[in-house]
Amino acid sequence: GEDVEQSLFLSVREGDSSVINCTYTDSSSTYLYWYKQEPGAGLQLLTYIFSNMDMKQDQRLTVLLNKKDKHLSLRIADTQTGDSAIYFCAEIASNTGKLIFGQGTTLQVKP
Amino acid sequence: DAGVIQSPRHEVTEMGQEVTLRCKPISGHDYLFWYRQTMMRGLELLIYFNNNVPIDDSGMPEDRFSAKMPNASFSTLKIQPSEPRDSAVYFCASRVLGGNNEQFFGPGTRLTVL
Repeated sequence: GEDVEQSLFLSVREGDSSVINCTYTDSSSTYLYWYKQEPGAGLQLLTYIFSNMDMKQDQRLTVLLNKKDKHLSLRIADTQTGDSAIYFCAEIASNTGKLIFGQGTTLQVKP
Repeated sequence: DAGVIQSPRHEVTEMGQEVTLRCKPISGHDYLFWYRQTMMRGLELLIYFNNNVPIDDSGMPEDRFSAKMPNASFSTLKIQPSEPRDSAVYFCASRVLGGNNEQFFGPGTRLTVL
């Protein structure tokens, strides 16, 4: 079945770049997503990439997609303390249309 | 739009009691999802509706859980009787078909069953 894997924790210093990695299994996913969850809040879509793209850049965010290896990454440039949150990778299951979430990566930004 | 609205935001109850969680999706959205989030199991999809009809309830843990969507603007998730292992944050999300299929999440209900 569909599965999405992420590392659980990442700690960086303010101003550094953060890279959060994810692997997925459904090669037919049309979209792949990064959601952000701040403490005490619901998930909010941060960015997404269409499956026919290799890269998407949006201000400080860069998403890289390697379809051959089924690997997705999120790079946050100049990481700020306000970026501290849990980041979820998700794919759309091609047979059901459901979102399959990874376990979430907790990003800790140290001043 | 106010976004997805959930109530209550926090619920503390005793084992054996009935719990009802409520959700108002974004107007015009035709899909509604209920998720549960715990430290141990992460984010789990419990059930989702399309045009008020339950499509997939395979994630509902057991018969103690039930969900309804009587109209396009309201859904409930009921647990009867509640157990301590049901303690979690329950999220409702909605989306409209098409585009990037983004799901919009509510703020969640934190349920504690003593």
